[in-house]
Amino acid sequence: AQKITQTQPGMFVQEKEAVTLDCTYDTSDPSYGLFWYKQPSSGEMIFLIYQGSYDQQNATEGRYSLNFQKARKSANLVISASQLGDSAMYFCAMREGSGNTPLVFGKGTRLSVIA
Amino acid sequence: DAGVIQSPRHEVTEMGQEVTLRCKPISGHDYLFWYRQTMMRGLELLIYFNNNVPIDDSGMPEDRFSAKMPNASFSTLKIQPSEPRDSAVYFCASSSIGTISSTDTQYFGPGTRLTVL
Repeated sequence: AQKITQTQPGMFVQEKEAVTLDCTYDTSDPSYGLFWYKQPSSGEMIFLIYQGSYDQQNATEGRYSLNFQKARKSANLVISASQLGDSAMYFCAMREGSGNTPLVFGKGTRLSVIA
Repeated sequence: DAGVIQSPRHEVTEMGQEVTLRCKPISGHDYLFWYRQTMMRGLELLIYFNNNVPIDDSGMPEDRFSAKMPNASFSTLKIQPSEPRDSAVYFCASSSIGTISSTDTQYFGPGTRLTVL
């Protein structure tokens, strides 16, 4: 079974609008971390935001926020006020356990921002 | 601060040749990860090190792949002999344990795009 599921292969959003990228995860470990990375066409992997399983509040980083619904095992990324530069692949990833264990990635969502 | 450094950025080689990919982690990070990205399989872990010691190499495809970390500031991933199916982007990432949970974030290098003809 997939540990990270991103069901949206591609998304379109109008510039200045908000967009939600979906991510569901599967783990039986009570301690885990959820990450979102951005991969623009240049290819690098850029860390965006992190949510720990014990964090009480949803993580926010500038225009990025993570809608963490633990009971539903979802960790959706919300990008507010989309910009043309947000066009990229977005990957949801999870590490299980505490500490620096490897990340398991979803297949990604390609976001296209339209002017 | 310098990020994770990888070299070369692009490598084109012929089947059967030896390929060596290099990585310099962020200074002070004690975990180093090698990932591979392909269209078919996405991003997958190959191997990771803690304090220069390999912890899990179960993702290494076969004996043609080997990785070393001789010191805290350098790691190599070697493929010998290379095959066309090894064509992929190879990422190195590093992280550290800290007192704040977010510091176990893995920071990625720019990747090496390998093409085996």
